[in-house]
This record gives sequence, C-alpha cells and structure tokens, in this order.
Amino acid sequence: DQQVKQNSPSLSVQEGRISILNCDYTNSMFDYFLWYKKYPAEGPTFLISISSIKDKNEDGRFTVFLNKSAKHLSLHIVPSQPGDSAVYFCAAKDTGTASKLTFGTGTRLQVTL
Amino acid sequence: DTGVSQDPRHKITKRGQNVTFRCDPISEHNRLYWYRQTLGQGPEFLTYFQNEAQLEKSRLLSDRFSAERPKGSFSTLEIQRTEQGDSAMYLCASSLQQGFGNTIYFGEGSWLTVV
Repeated sequence: DQQVKQNSPSLSVQEGRISILNCDYTNSMFDYFLWYKKYPAEGPTFLISISSIKDKNEDGRFTVFLNKSAKHLSLHIVPSQPGDSAVYFCAAKDTGTASKLTFGTGTRLQVTL
Repeated sequence: DTGVSQDPRHKITKRGQNVTFRCDPISEHNRLYWYRQTLGQGPEFLTYFQNEAQLEKSRLLSDRFSAERPKGSFSTLEIQRTEQGDSAMYLCASSLQQGFGNTIYFGEGSWLTVV
C-alpha cells in the first residue's frame, strides 16, 4: 500500500512563476515530513522539512505547508528557476520508527524559459 | 565537504554473482541507512544501523542480502547470487540522532545492473 502519494508524475512551470508540488499521506502516525530533490543518476538531496506540530516552514525560495486534517502537504517554489528542474520526492517518518522514511513516487518538475 | 560516499558508483554483474557495496557516512553521524530505488519509484527502506547495531530490516531484504557496519563507521551491503530483479540504485544515507526530526542525508548511490 502506498502510504505517501504524489499523484502528479510531472509538472511544467515557466521560469519566475510559482511551482506547487503536492503530496498526500494515509498514515496518521507520520510526524515528520521532508522534501528531497533528485537529479538523474544522483542521490536525493534534502530540501526542507516540517514537523507535524507546525503548518508551515520556509527556507528561502522553498516553503512547505502541512494540512494535518487533510493529510496533505505541499512544496512551493517561488520564483522557479531552470536549475530547479528535477524529480521531487515527498517523504514521511512514522512516529513509531527511529528515522526510517517512506517516500512517494516523485514528481518531475520542468522549469521552462 | 565530506558527505555520504558510496563505492562503486556503477556495477554490472552476471546473474548469480555476488556483489558488495561500501558506504562511508558523514563522519559524526551515528545512524546509517540503506535504501533501494528502481525506475519510477521512490527510495524504499532496506535496513538501518545505529552505531554498529542493525536495528531494523525491511521485508524487502531477502536472505541473499546482508549488511554490516562492523565498527560503527563504514557499512557494506552484500548481495549474494544476484538476480535480474536486484537491478536498482542502492542508496546509503546517514543521520545524527538528536531527538525529534533527524534529517537523513543521502549519498550519490550505487547503480547495479544484473545481466
């Protein structure tokens, strides 16, 4: 069963505009959420995280929003840049585990000129 | 910048052969993880160590897979009698245990192709 879902396999956004990547989860025991960015043939790179006690966390151009009641989180990138083109993974940690992450299947973001 | 280091980056092997991957975590990190990623999927958890103790193993980790972290520093992941279904990217990651919300940092991965 897919406990972390990224229902949009791809997204295309114009440079300078906002990119919004979405993630839904089903496990109410998840208490920490992370976004990773991945280029081809490389490992995932940590971007930003949020704990379940918050509803927003911001770091430069990246903001993550968490809606616990809807079991939904989103990553906003403003403004989008061509270098942001990559696959973005949402990941979640279960409160019952030390640090094991459950990942979504990823959304490929393409930022066009 | 000494991030998580993995070796080899690429490995092509014949079915039935054994392969071993090595991971050197970020030096002060006491937790080390192995994940596997196949095309079109997100990384899937395989196992994790706290110092030298292997504390959790996924059901994905069949008897042909074994991981060690003998001195609580580097780790090896061995796959015996490889099968074509083992072809994937094997990702190592590490983190520092410091209470809530430990960020996990990944290496660049080791690609395995079983022919």
